[in-house]
Amino acid sequence: DAGVTQSPTHLIKTRGQQVTLRCSPISGHKSVSWYQQVLGQGPQFIFQYYEKEERGRGNFPDRFSARQFPNYSSELNVNALLLGDSALYLCASRLVQGARGYGYTFGSGTRLTVV
Amino acid sequence: ELKVEQNPLFLSMQEGKNYTIYCNYSTTSDRLYWYRQDPGKSLESLFVLLSNGAVKQEGRLMASLDTKARLSTLHITAAVHDLSATYFCAVDMDYGQNFVFGPGTRLSVLP
Repeated sequence: DAGVTQSPTHLIKTRGQQVTLRCSPISGHKSVSWYQQVLGQGPQFIFQYYEKEERGRGNFPDRFSARQFPNYSSELNVNALLLGDSALYLCASRLVQGARGYGYTFGSGTRLTVV
Repeated sequence: ELKVEQNPLFLSMQEGKNYTIYCNYSTTSDRLYWYRQDPGKSLESLFVLLSNGAVKQEGRLMASLDTKARLSTLHITAAVHDLSATYFCAVDMDYGQNFVFGPGTRLSVLP
């Protein structure tokens, strides 16, 4: 069984550019969340989607946006990149929103470097 | 706003020793998760704790949850080098809409 897959694995962008990160959840998982992990810190919640609707949003500026597609895959977009956006971006999926007994399964992440 | 704290943030221990990592959180929740992260890698699920008094064990690691004290512990028994990693606790908010993670405990087990 394939786990949560993310692409690309590494990315280097210039300040002011835009980036799109992609995530495919585990088959059957309808809930996808995005987290940002800056080096040396714990992951910070960005977005959660369930059944193609945004169900939660963390404390991130409007430069960050996301969507979920009918096949439950998801994209995270970041516009007008800043140096501070450099981080590991993690996608996680879960079987059912609020399902007890199930934590999120995380993908391997996309390492974004903004120069 | 839910806050999750971990103590200690850095831990260096000798192989064969025992130690406990603490995770405190600020609001009521009965769902707590422990993850492990190796350098440059993603998060690996270790334990899912879903009720007051829950205790889970896997190998040299044992996790427990006290929802009244808003405290979870991760106990390490007879540490080995392979346990060197960063350990995160995470608390479930809003019925699973998102997790709030602690800052992590960076564990280094020395021979």
